[in-house]
Amino acid sequence: EDKVVQSPLSLVVHEGDTVTLNCSYEVTNFRSLLWYKQEKKAPTFLFMLTSSGIEKKSGRLSSILDKKELFSILNITATQTGDSAIYLCAVQGSSNTGKLIFGQGTTLQVKP
Amino acid sequence: DTAVSQTPKYLVTQMGNDKSIKCEQNLGHDTMYWYKQDSKKFLKIMFSYNNKELIINETVPNRFSPKSPDKAHLNLHINSLELGDSAVYFCASSRGQGRTDTQYFGPGTRLTVL
Repeated sequence: EDKVVQSPLSLVVHEGDTVTLNCSYEVTNFRSLLWYKQEKKAPTFLFMLTSSGIEKKSGRLSSILDKKELFSILNITATQTGDSAIYLCAVQGSSNTGKLIFGQGTTLQVKP
Repeated sequence: DTAVSQTPKYLVTQMGNDKSIKCEQNLGHDTMYWYKQDSKKFLKIMFSYNNKELIINETVPNRFSPKSPDKAHLNLHINSLELGDSAVYFCASSRGQGRTDTQYFGPGTRLTVL
């Protein structure tokens, strides 16, 4: 059965810290991996990764995929209180239906 | 201008009632989805439609029935609501079902069954 596991489940840091969130997966015929940020409402899209070793970057956030070891990491540098959210990792497998399998999320709290 | 919108945002109802949640997207996307997020924040796919055709139907009780009158709308009707149906329901849409087609989510509908 397809599975996505995120770690840690929760994390508390102080402003200015750097955090690394992990996502590992077991999926038949991997197609893509996506990261979302969920604050109070809708998950908002951060990154889509399809190729190994190519870092995607947006401001203080970056992500990379390792298709050999079946994992991805999301890095946030110089964290701010506005980074507090649930970070969701999702993988699209071979079903060709667009179906996303989500991990259980990492809850990040950034304290002032 | 909201890309994916849902109504209502909150829904509180008694067990046994029937209710509907509506979703609309103005992105011109062909594919729409319903997800359920439980109390542990775990998001799980329920249904997906592509151009009004059902393409994903996960193991969901048949009390849940999606309807897509056109490709910009995907509604979810729930019969005989049960306590376990309490959750946040998210609608999403994507251009297609390809590996690079990002899904964009609506604001969610928080359903509470008493």
